[in-house]
Amino acid sequence: DAGITQSPRYKITETGRQVTLMCHQTWSHSYMFWYRQDLGHGLRLIYYSAAADITDKGEVPDGYVVSRSKTENFPLTLESATRSQTSVYFCASSESAGWGEKLFFGSGTQLSVL
Amino acid sequence: KQEVTQIPAALSVPEGENLVLNCSFTDSAIYNLQWFRQDPGKGLTSLLLIQSSQREQTSGRLNASLDKSSGRSTLYIAASQPGDSATYLCAVRPGGGGSNYKLTFGKGTLLTVNP
Repeated sequence: DAGITQSPRYKITETGRQVTLMCHQTWSHSYMFWYRQDLGHGLRLIYYSAAADITDKGEVPDGYVVSRSKTENFPLTLESATRSQTSVYFCASSESAGWGEKLFFGSGTQLSVL
Repeated sequence: KQEVTQIPAALSVPEGENLVLNCSFTDSAIYNLQWFRQDPGKGLTSLLLIQSSQREQTSGRLNASLDKSSGRSTLYIAASQPGDSATYLCAVRPGGGGSNYKLTFGKGTLLTVNP
C-alpha cells in the first residue's frame, strides 16, 4: 500500500544548482501533477502529465522541467535553482481527469534554496 | 480566471460543536468540487468530491454541499473532535474540456477544535 511517494523529504541547495525532486506512484494512475505550496499563494500547479510522454504546463512552469518516461514516475527538475523556488512541493496523481476522480497527494518535499 | 475563496481563514471551536466551512468560486462552469484536509507537514487528503450535477455528498460526520449557480460550497462537520483540527481546502476542476484537469485551490481554513 505504498501509494504515492516523494523523495527527498527535505532538501537544501544553493542558488544556481540543479535539483531533481522524485515522485513515484504504485497505482498506475494516468494523471500526475506537481504543485507548489506557498504562504499567501496556496497551491499552484507547476506541470501535469496525462500519460507517459505527455506533459503540459500549469500555472507557474518557469524554471522547472518535467519528464514522464514511465507511468509511475514523474520527476521535477529545477534547472538552476533560485531563492524564489523555496517552497513545499507536492506530487499528486489521479486515475483519470474525468468527471468524479479524486486527487491523491504525496507527503511533500520541503525545498530551501540558499 | 477562476478564483476560489475560503472564509474564514481560521476557526476555533469547542469540542462537540457542529460547524460549517465555506468555499466560494467565481466561475460556475465546473466539473466538480473537492474538499481536502491537510495536517501540519503532510500532504492533502481528499475528503469528499461533489460532481457538478450533485447537490451534496456525505461521509461519516462530514457533509459537503454544492450550489453551482451561486458559486458556493459548504463543508459541514458534525460533533467536532480535536482530531478534526487541520487545514481544510476546497478545489474546483473546471468544465469545458481541454485543460479540465487544472484544479484551482482555495487557501484553506485552519480549524482548531479545543478539548
